[in-house]
Amino acid sequence: AQSVTQLDSQVPVFEEAPVELRCNYSSSVSVYLFWYVQYPNQGLQLLLKYLSGSTLVKGINGFEAEFNKSQTSFHLRKPSVHISDTAEYFCAVLEGAAGNKLTFGGGTRVLVKP
Amino acid sequence: ETGVTQSPTHLIKTRGQQVTLRCSSQSGHNTVSWYQQALGQGPQFIFQYYREEENGRGNFPPRFSGLQFPNYSSELNVNALELDDSALYLCASSSTGGRTGELFFGEGSRLTVL
Repeated sequence: AQSVTQLDSQVPVFEEAPVELRCNYSSSVSVYLFWYVQYPNQGLQLLLKYLSGSTLVKGINGFEAEFNKSQTSFHLRKPSVHISDTAEYFCAVLEGAAGNKLTFGGGTRVLVKP
Repeated sequence: ETGVTQSPTHLIKTRGQQVTLRCSSQSGHNTVSWYQQALGQGPQFIFQYYREEENGRGNFPPRFSGLQFPNYSSELNVNALELDDSALYLCASSSTGGRTGELFFGEGSRLTVL
């Protein structure tokens, strides 16, 4: 069975500093990978996704992620964060082309300090 | 374009009661998925409905059931509520059976079981 591990439960970061959120997955088949963001009292919003092709994926709000098949990782990065990036971030995996359910990690709470 | 809407937004029940949560999918989407998000955790897949039929189920007992209607809206029913059912219930809609993983989430229904 697939699983997703987000190695950091909380990441405090100063405004305009870079941030990296780590995500590792385990699966025996090919996967599609996603990052979602959840702002307080809201649902989840898709930041970016990797389905195939280039392993460097760019998303909304200046975020990007790199798929590393050998390390089974999909880390999320942003070179300069804003206060508005304070939120919870979830990595998720869809297993195979026939998959129909997302398996989410436990989330990483990003707190951007002024 | 109308997004995913859920009702009610908050509700309180007692153990043993039954609850029905409702979801209207985004315009043009024929697939609805339900997720349970316990406090401090990532969402967990409950089930998915595609063209009015259950199209995949997570590790939830039969007292969690659902329906999808011809207009693609959906209901989640939970019988014999337990304290551990307290959570945010998220509905997500998509097209193509959700296979690209691009789900559009509602803001959720927060259920408290006392």
